[in-house]
Amino acid sequence: QSALTQPPSASGSPGQSVTISCTGTSSDVGGYNYVSWYQQHPGKAPKLIISEVTKRPSGVPDRFSGSKSGNTASLTVSGLQAEDEADYYCSSYAGSDSLVFGGGTKLTVL
Amino acid sequence: EVQLVESGGGLVQPGRSLRLSCAASGFTFDDYAMHWVRQAPGKGLEWVSGISWDSGKIGYADSVKGRFTISRDNAKNSLYLQMNSLRGGDSALYYCAKDRYRSGPLHFDYWGQGTLVTVSS
Repeated sequence: QSALTQPPSASGSPGQSVTISCTGTSSDVGGYNYVSWYQQHPGKAPKLIISEVTKRPSGVPDRFSGSKSGNTASLTVSGLQAEDEADYYCSSYAGSDSLVFGGGTKLTVL
Repeated sequence: EVQLVESGGGLVQPGRSLRLSCAASGFTFDDYAMHWVRQAPGKGLEWVSGISWDSGKIGYADSVKGRFTISRDNAKNSLYLQMNSLRGGDSALYYCAKDRYRSGPLHFDYWGQGTLVTVSS
């Protein structure tokens, strides 16, 4: 159960797009379409923004999109807004009734 | 409105035990898997344990296997985490989280506000 690999930080200016990667192995990200992304603002609980690689829960802006290629999943935030500044975590089912998170990426809106 | 309210955290000495509870409301509790996720201060998220809707499937992170036990009482809409042989590395904010499906762990669509566990002498 090794953590998925995310870049520690990412940044972009308002209106720009930014992509955050999440790299695992064939035993987790590459083996299942059960990748999720969570947004966490300081002092708050995480919020689900993407499930099953590409699906947006109700109420999540379509500026957020997810994809996967091989063992790497990605979250793209388009049209960056100030309120998108937060920590982002990916997760993946890892078999045998277990789940693994990424180390998290701090997104800064310049 | 879905609500998950954790309780039972506190300061505990290394080697001792603690039991966390999560009271759920606003949804049909026995239709969904439930999980515990922890976050050490200033650190990332770590999935701790999960239990399917009927308690038929249970999983643990390697870091807690053999020390922690998850359980649920569907009649009481409650989730529990019995934590034994606690270590300093277990100090964290413990979140209760609802899965989108009956079995998981897959996608956590609702989270509580967490209960803080501090392991220290």
